Amino acid sequence: EVQLVESGGGLVQPGESLRLSCAASGFTFRSYWMSWVRQAPAKGLEWVATIKPDGSQMFYVDSVKGRFTISRDNAKNSLYLQMSSLTAEDTAIYYCAREARISDYWGQGTLITVSS
Amino acid sequence: DVVMTQSPLSLPVTLGQPASISCRSSQSLVYSDGNTYLTWFQQRPGQSPRRLIYKVSARDSGAPDRFSGSGSGTDFTLKISRVEAEDVGIYYCMQATHWPFTFGGGTKVEIK
Repeated sequence: EVQLVESGGGLVQPGESLRLSCAASGFTFRSYWMSWVRQAPAKGLEWVATIKPDGSQMFYVDSVKGRFTISRDNAKNSLYLQMSSLTAEDTAIYYCAREARISDYWGQGTLITVSS
Repeated sequence: DVVMTQSPLSLPVTLGQPASISCRSSQSLVYSDGNTYLTWFQQRPGQSPRRLIYKVSARDSGAPDRFSGSGSGTDFTLKISRVEAEDVGIYYCMQATHWPFTFGGGTKVEIK
């Protein structure tokens, strides 16, 4: 059974950094593109970033470029999102999702709240 | 960026009746490999999104067959043949042909 479990969320102050993790199981992680998608409170979905299976290429939405870094450790079956210079606009549930163009499985999400 | 426009914003439906959601893109979603990467997701209250339809019309193995997707180019539709109580939630379309991937604003399906 495919499982994606996000962790690392919490309350942070504006300007701080945070790293999210997504533990994958039930499939051959190293073979799949992986993505992060976020959802601000009571808002719609926003794609954030995607990484190739071998980690050689990453794609980002403009609003996080230069602040967020998506990465992966295929030996640990884990996906990461390093976030820096956080603002209130980054407050959201962050989901990891398997695949890029067809996003077939999603985790339950982890909530990031940026507030002073 | 490709703008995805969903309508209606809210869709009150009688149980057992059909429902239809429209999704229009600001550019063609046909990718260079010939596929059209238009996906429909269902998000029930308090849950994470769940894929229903991918590549316009391919139904997910776990999705009931009352859900169907159609369309081409820039104009797409999600249909529910007979709405059931468990279909309440917000439905999103997403294009994954052009970077950055973008979502529609969502359509809230509720029971009358």
